[in-house]
Amino acid sequence: NAGVTQTPKFRILKIGQSMTLQCAQDMNHNYMYWYRQDPGMGLKLIYYSVGAGITDKGEVPNGYNVSRSTTEDFPLRLELAAPSQTSVYFCASTPSPAVRNYGYTFGSGTRLTVV
Amino acid sequence: EDQVTQSPEALRLQEGESSSLNCSYTVSGLRGLFWYRQDPGKGPEFLFTLYSAGEEKEKERLKATLTKKESFLHITAPKPEDSATYLCAVQAEGTGRRALTFGSGTRLQVQP
Repeated sequence: NAGVTQTPKFRILKIGQSMTLQCAQDMNHNYMYWYRQDPGMGLKLIYYSVGAGITDKGEVPNGYNVSRSTTEDFPLRLELAAPSQTSVYFCASTPSPAVRNYGYTFGSGTRLTVV
Repeated sequence: EDQVTQSPEALRLQEGESSSLNCSYTVSGLRGLFWYRQDPGKGPEFLFTLYSAGEEKEKERLKATLTKKESFLHITAPKPEDSATYLCAVQAEGTGRRALTFGSGTRLQVQP
């Protein structure tokens, strides 16, 4: 099925541990994004990429890192996990924001708890 | 800084009771306003994009409208399956990343 695939769906980390959240899309979209969603809050942009090899920070990048070696994959790395990083993480993609009437496609999310 | 405010935070309706959700926005230049539906434990699902004041779009029982300062999502004769959180987001002009700025959503519950 075409779309955005995120793994894992759930994860519990201990403070100070590291992990990588995986995101893959099979729609040949150039633009990819990582958002986090806290309870009762809107989605906040962590990092984004406009194509393979090009990444940049969003509003809340501290404590995270990304890479984009292929068009399909956009992993998010958490180094030294902290309780403040407990959240639901969503990956999204779009072919080009200039394409009209085409919404961003979101994955089903990774629910992360840091204890 | 782009801002999106949604109201009410939560709304409970009886089946068949029509209502509207509000999305107020502040953006330096609006390229597009997006509406998404989000079910519990799932990612947002695209509904509509509106691009200019006066534009309207419809999908089944939902109709979205846009003015220069706000957007409304009208729900006509809702059914229990319309229960979800509805998210509004804006895309600003002039930014290369073309990311979306989201509101905090309206949780809609439709009771049979």
